[in-house]
Amino acid sequence: AQSVTQLGSHVSVSEGALVLLRCNYSSSVPPYLFWYVQYPNQGLQLLLKYTSAATLVKGINGFEAEFKKSETSFHLTKPSAHMSDAAEYFCAVSSANNQFYFGTGTSLTVIP
Amino acid sequence: DAGITQSPRHKVTETGTPVTLRCHQTENHRYMYWYRQDPGHGLRLIHYSYGVKDTDKGEVSDGYSVSRSKTEDFLLTLESATSSQTSVYFCAISEASVLAKNIQYFGAGTRLSVL
Repeated sequence: AQSVTQLGSHVSVSEGALVLLRCNYSSSVPPYLFWYVQYPNQGLQLLLKYTSAATLVKGINGFEAEFKKSETSFHLTKPSAHMSDAAEYFCAVSSANNQFYFGTGTSLTVIP
Repeated sequence: DAGITQSPRHKVTETGTPVTLRCHQTENHRYMYWYRQDPGHGLRLIHYSYGVKDTDKGEVSDGYSVSRSKTEDFLLTLESATSSQTSVYFCAISEASVLAKNIQYFGAGTRLSVL
């Protein structure tokens, strides 16, 4: 069975500081991995995806994530946090039969 | 929201009443999903569909049924609503192709309160 674990349900960073949101996956086969962002009272929007091409994946709004097979990790980073980055972030993995498994989410607070 | 409409957006109902939530897509995607979102649990899959009249259970399917009679519509029914089904429900769609890379697109959600 596939699953993802997000370490830290809440993360706070100062505006301009590095954002690091952690995600570890378990998968018996090379996975498709995703990061989604959810702003208050909205649905989820795709930030970026890993699909077995480059291990460093760039997404929207300056976010990127690095796939590390040896660590089974897919951590999300952004060099400089902006107030507009405050949201809930979800890591997800998909299986060959198009089922998706989501982490429990990390709420990001950006302190001015 | 990638051509996905959920209705209603908000609903308050009483325990024991039936409730149907609708998801409508204009993208002609093959796969459709229903999730519920609860604090501390992230998104959990209720049911999904891989074609007209083809559905399967997800992780938390008890108390829910679905139907898909047309490509564009996926209905979620709570036969007899309970307070534990108070949640935010999201519909998602996905195109099953190598090019699409299994990306899911989400609707805006339906906030359901069962009193």
